[in-house]
Amino acid sequence: EAQVTQNPRYLITVTGKKLTVTCSQNMNHEYMSWYRQDPGLGLRQIYYSMNVEVTDKGDVPEGYKVSRKEKRNFPLILESPSPNQTSLYFCASRGQVGLTEAFFGQGTRLTVV
Amino acid sequence: GIQVEQSPPDLILQEGANSTLRCNFSDSVNNLQWFHQNPWGQLINLFYIPSGTKQNGRLSATTVATERYSLLYISSSQTTDSGVYFCAGAQKLVFGQGTRLTINP
Repeated sequence: EAQVTQNPRYLITVTGKKLTVTCSQNMNHEYMSWYRQDPGLGLRQIYYSMNVEVTDKGDVPEGYKVSRKEKRNFPLILESPSPNQTSLYFCASRGQVGLTEAFFGQGTRLTVV
Repeated sequence: GIQVEQSPPDLILQEGANSTLRCNFSDSVNNLQWFHQNPWGQLINLFYIPSGTKQNGRLSATTVATERYSLLYISSSQTTDSGVYFCAGAQKLVFGQGTRLTINP
């Protein structure tokens, strides 16, 4: 089954404790991206990757890091989480930028206290 | 950057009613999608519809790319249709603010 898998689904952590949210897709897609969803602000892109070892900032990259060492994986790293990073996070993938359907993971609900 | 406007922002209907949701883009897009966000927060793909019309059961969608808008039709609404409906498009997959649909029994 074609899917995008995020882990964990839920996470409560403390300010400053580094964490990683994993994302994996099994569709051999080149393009992957991360979004955060906040009430009143909608879904905003954090980072994207057009292929292995190629990443770039989205609209709200501050406080986040990403890496793309393998085509299937695109982890989101919060080196020093802060309460304003409490949000619902989504990973997405698609075959080619702008040309194909995007698929989203199940979401990760992160709370930073 | 590209702007996406969805209307109406909120819609409350009785079970069995029909509805039309609209999505306007400030510039042309070639990858318009419709999603349903269920009460558990998951984004469910409804349609990938850069142009033309598609149907899937009680749902259908039409995109008029030259006029930069898309419509999502829901017929014979059920309570399970409740949730937020998003359209999105463009290279960075820009999202609209969504339409919150509530179907009352």
